[in-house]
Amino acid sequence: DAGVIQSPRHEVTEMGQEVTLRCKPISGHNSLFWYRQTMMRGLELLIYFNNNVPIDDSGMPEDRFSAKMPNASFSTLKIQPSEPRDSAVYFCASSPRGLAGGETQYFGPGTRLLVL
Amino acid sequence: GQSLEQPSEVTAVEGAIVQINCTYQTSGFYGLSWYQQHDGGAPTFLSYNALDGLEETGRFSSFLSRSDSYGYLLLQELQMKDSASYFCAVKTNAGKSTFGDGTTLTVKP
Repeated sequence: DAGVIQSPRHEVTEMGQEVTLRCKPISGHNSLFWYRQTMMRGLELLIYFNNNVPIDDSGMPEDRFSAKMPNASFSTLKIQPSEPRDSAVYFCASSPRGLAGGETQYFGPGTRLLVL
Repeated sequence: GQSLEQPSEVTAVEGAIVQINCTYQTSGFYGLSWYQQHDGGAPTFLSYNALDGLEETGRFSSFLSRSDSYGYLLLQELQMKDSASYFCAVKTNAGKSTFGDGTTLTVKP
């Protein structure tokens, strides 16, 4: 099993540019989560999907952030336009259980984003 | 909303036992999880409690008291490789997970 796959692993961009982060969850998992981690704010849940449907996006910081899950094997998190304060590690995680099931989230390696 | 509290740092020596506490406030509590994260790495799942009591997995155990809104992670026979950050995370009935700020564990020889 390849685990959760994220790309790119590192991204350096300039303020105002569009950034797209990609995630492939573990096959068969039906929940997908996007997190952001910074020293100041810790690990924050941005949005999560169940069966490809967004369930809670209350953690998305502002309208510049959007996430999609067009099918069970792919999700994107887009930031447009990007700002220096968006610099963080972005993790994608997937879980094999439904909304109220057991809790085992498998995290991808993360995308380290630096916005200059 | 949800809030969690855990100590920011804990230090212990190799071979010792350490307990990392986590208290939480949430509505619609469903379960409490623990994750380990090494510097530069991704969080990895350690343990999950939905019911009161102790869950044991090798050197690691996790405890939950729903009535006290409290849980802990117990690490036994500490090894240098256990130096990492440990996060408790609350899951609600709606499926949402909230992570604590993490506890940095330093294991000394």
